[in-house]
Amino acid sequence: AQKITQTQPGMFVQEKEAVTLDCTYDTSDPSYGLFWYKQPSSGEMIFLIYQGSYDQQNATEGRYSLNFQKARKSANLVISASQLGDSAMYFCAIFEGNTPLVFGKGTRLSVIA
Amino acid sequence: DAGVIQSPRHEVTEMGQEVTLRCKPISGHDYLFWYRQTMMRGLELLIYFNNNVPIDDSGMPEDRFSAKMPNASFSTLKIQPSEPRDSAVYFCASSPRQGRPNSPLHFGNGTRLTVT
Repeated sequence: AQKITQTQPGMFVQEKEAVTLDCTYDTSDPSYGLFWYKQPSSGEMIFLIYQGSYDQQNATEGRYSLNFQKARKSANLVISASQLGDSAMYFCAIFEGNTPLVFGKGTRLSVIA
Repeated sequence: DAGVIQSPRHEVTEMGQEVTLRCKPISGHDYLFWYRQTMMRGLELLIYFNNNVPIDDSGMPEDRFSAKMPNASFSTLKIQPSEPRDSAVYFCASSPRQGRPNSPLHFGNGTRLTVT
């Protein structure tokens, strides 16, 4: 089974609107962490936000927030007030036990003016 | 902090040639990772080191691939001989520790390898 599933290969959003990027995960480890990374067209991987499995609150970082639904094993990224510079690939990744990050296939977000 | 530094940024080589990719992790980071990114397979972990020691190389595709970390500030990924299917972006990443979930990876800018 895939550790991380991102079902949306591509998404479009109007500038200044909010957008949700989906991520579901598969783990039997009670202790894990979920990460989101952004990869703009220039290619670098930029860390956005982290959610721990024991965290009581949903993570937020500026315009990024994580809609963490543990029972459903989903960790969707919400970007509020989209900007043109948000156009990029977005990757969800999971850390469990003592193993390195495993990444999903990504979602390409295009912000339209 | 300069971040993770990879060289070269781009490499074009002919099939059968040896390719060496280089990485300088962030100072003080105990873990170093090599990932490969392709359209078909996404981001795949090739190998990772802890305190310069290889921990898991099960992602290394074939014996043609080898990686070393002779000291805390330098690592290489070598492909010999290279093949067209090795064409990909190779990322090096480091993190201060593992076993702590909130330790994000810090990535280099990647090396885009093209094997003709």
